[in-house]
Amino acid sequence: ETGVTQSPTHLIKTRGQQVTLRCSSQSGHNTVSWYQQALGQGPQFIFQYYREEENGRGNFPPRFSGLQFPNYSSELNVNALELDDSALYLCASTSAGKDTQYFGPGTRLTVL
Amino acid sequence: SQQGEEDPQALSIQEGENATMNCSYKTSINNLQWYRQNSGRGLVHLILIRSNEREKHSGRLRVTLDTSKKSSSLLITASRAADTASYFCATLLLGANSKLTFGKGITLSVRP
Repeated sequence: ETGVTQSPTHLIKTRGQQVTLRCSSQSGHNTVSWYQQALGQGPQFIFQYYREEENGRGNFPPRFSGLQFPNYSSELNVNALELDDSALYLCASTSAGKDTQYFGPGTRLTVL
Repeated sequence: SQQGEEDPQALSIQEGENATMNCSYKTSINNLQWYRQNSGRGLVHLILIRSNEREKHSGRLRVTLDTSKKSSSLLITASRAADTASYFCATLLLGANSKLTFGKGITLSVRP
């Protein structure tokens, strides 16, 4: 167990809808990163938050947005869902300046 | 985009044998990390090797890094059925603010 939790575990949405995924980071960690993992692929970096500010973004459109709260928990929001958004969404927490990231169990999103 | 490419894509061995997995990458890195993933769930950090290191050990794991060839290998000795999982190499690029770039992964099956 890494101490990183994510909710919900599974989610089914239809195309065009919006979704919010949540992540609680490990105690003492102030940096949260989000990754998308399509079936059979490695995780792809979406963005990272540090002290409530976005601190780096991967090649994802603006309909992918996020928030980090004062307690360092985080949300990933995806608007106008597309079929290709179906994936496992992973969050990972770390402390600033540390290289090892601790991953949560993921949220499996299915878009129909 | 994937930075690392692991090979082989799939590996099947008998319990007790050693498993060797390779990873190649394209650009200069700060460090390289190996992760394990069971059944499409969260990633577990295994080992990290920095760009100025050549070899590192952790229990039954041995990782090597050759920055001139931009490649790494992960050796699992005396494999167990519980080692059955997907393994990913991930690189932390210079100045990348903890953004990890993953390969597509290797599926390891250890037969009892």
